[in-house]
Amino acid sequence: GAGVSQSPSNKVTEKGKDVELRCDPISGHTALYWYRQSLGQGLEFLIYFQGNSAPDKSGLPSDRFSAERTGGSVSTLTIQRTQQEDSAVYLCASSSRTGVTYEQYFGPGTRLTVT
Amino acid sequence: GQQLNQSPQSMFIQEGEDVSMNCTSSSIFNTWLWYKQDPGEGPVLLIALYKAGELTSNGRLTAQFGITRKDSFLNISASIPSDVGIYFCAGQPYSGGGADGLTFGKGTHLIIQP
Repeated sequence: GAGVSQSPSNKVTEKGKDVELRCDPISGHTALYWYRQSLGQGLEFLIYFQGNSAPDKSGLPSDRFSAERTGGSVSTLTIQRTQQEDSAVYLCASSSRTGVTYEQYFGPGTRLTVT
Repeated sequence: GQQLNQSPQSMFIQEGEDVSMNCTSSSIFNTWLWYKQDPGEGPVLLIALYKAGELTSNGRLTAQFGITRKDSFLNISASIPSDVGIYFCAGQPYSGGGADGLTFGKGTHLIIQP
């Protein structure tokens, strides 16, 4: 079946502009996660959704970052007033609540460049 | 927050050699996962471990969940060119919170020399 998809694959934006990144999880997966990967680094957890609610927002780096999920499916990560340090690959993952909950499956990511 | 120490940072090996990498933590983890990431792609799950002492294989890959719950290793036998990539360990901290975010190591970059 279809895996996790993300769009756009690449985004170049000017400092100070807002950006929206989209994630379509695997069909039927109720848990959705956003991570950030800076060049040559591991993945940094940002936020997690169970259904449409986000019980864990602890990883969001600042109040310029927000995320929502509607209909228990698609999620959008929004970064307002982008800064150069926001440049990174933003990865989305999903997992199922049935059976094992810890196996997260990742999308290809959105590479964000802030100029 | 939680931190995972992954080593080595990079490995230069000859095709056909065996590979070993590991992750350690200062705190207990419930779950250990191993991922592989190719350039321009998201991480792909290789092996998941859920029980202390568990040893699991996936083809030429073998991973173990340490008895202390604070470490895990991944072995690759008889490496081939397509094994090139970055391998990440990831863990679910022992918080009882269910499907929280994973904590990732910084990766082991595997390079296979001709």
